[in-house]
Amino acid sequence: EPEVTQTPSHQVTQMGQEVILRCVPISNHLYFYWYRQILGQKVEFLVSFYNNEISEKSEIFDDQFSVERPDGSNFTLKIRSTKLEDSAMYFCASSRDSSSYNEQFFGPGTRLTVL
Amino acid sequence: GDSVTQMEGPVTLSEEAFLTINCTYTATGYPSLFWYVQYPGEGLQLLLKATKADDKGSNKGFEATYRKETTSFHLEKGSVQVSDSAVYFCALSGAGGTSYGKLTFGQGTILTVHP
Repeated sequence: EPEVTQTPSHQVTQMGQEVILRCVPISNHLYFYWYRQILGQKVEFLVSFYNNEISEKSEIFDDQFSVERPDGSNFTLKIRSTKLEDSAMYFCASSRDSSSYNEQFFGPGTRLTVL
Repeated sequence: GDSVTQMEGPVTLSEEAFLTINCTYTATGYPSLFWYVQYPGEGLQLLLKATKADDKGSNKGFEATYRKETTSFHLEKGSVQVSDSAVYFCALSGAGGTSYGKLTFGQGTILTVHP
């Protein structure tokens, strides 16, 4: 069964450093998403991406964040200068289309720890 | 804005007990409603969904009915198993016609089932 994969499973970084979180969505999916979950809090939407551009982003997704689909298979989330409060579990998801009733398939997540 | 509220957890049950996890939502328009489940070490998986009022979603013995009058989507199972131990997330999408694809999650409920 096709699945969304994410690497690494755990990333530890120093405050101020850049990190890139990687995701491989399901191959015939067209819409891609990033969510995050700070420990003990809700899963929060960050950004959605379609046709090589951002279709929607949340208030959390400020200038420190960027997304890219560099090679037709990977989907990356970059945080330019990490802060302590960026420590969270980051989930990638993909779907065939953006309709509200279509299933999003989630990866297992990357746990980011900023020291 | 849109929001989802789940009952406080964690929930601990004995095998074969009846399960209810409450979920209520606030949204403009007519959202689709979902329950996702996260097993240890894995990503979120869609458990069931309902796309309009009075729809009942069901899967693996779990059920939830979209109640527009009470803005609720409570998850139920008649007889839980140890293998149902996981974190359960209620979510909505598509409210108001401007947030297609974006999922808004509740805080998650940890379920532990003992033999």
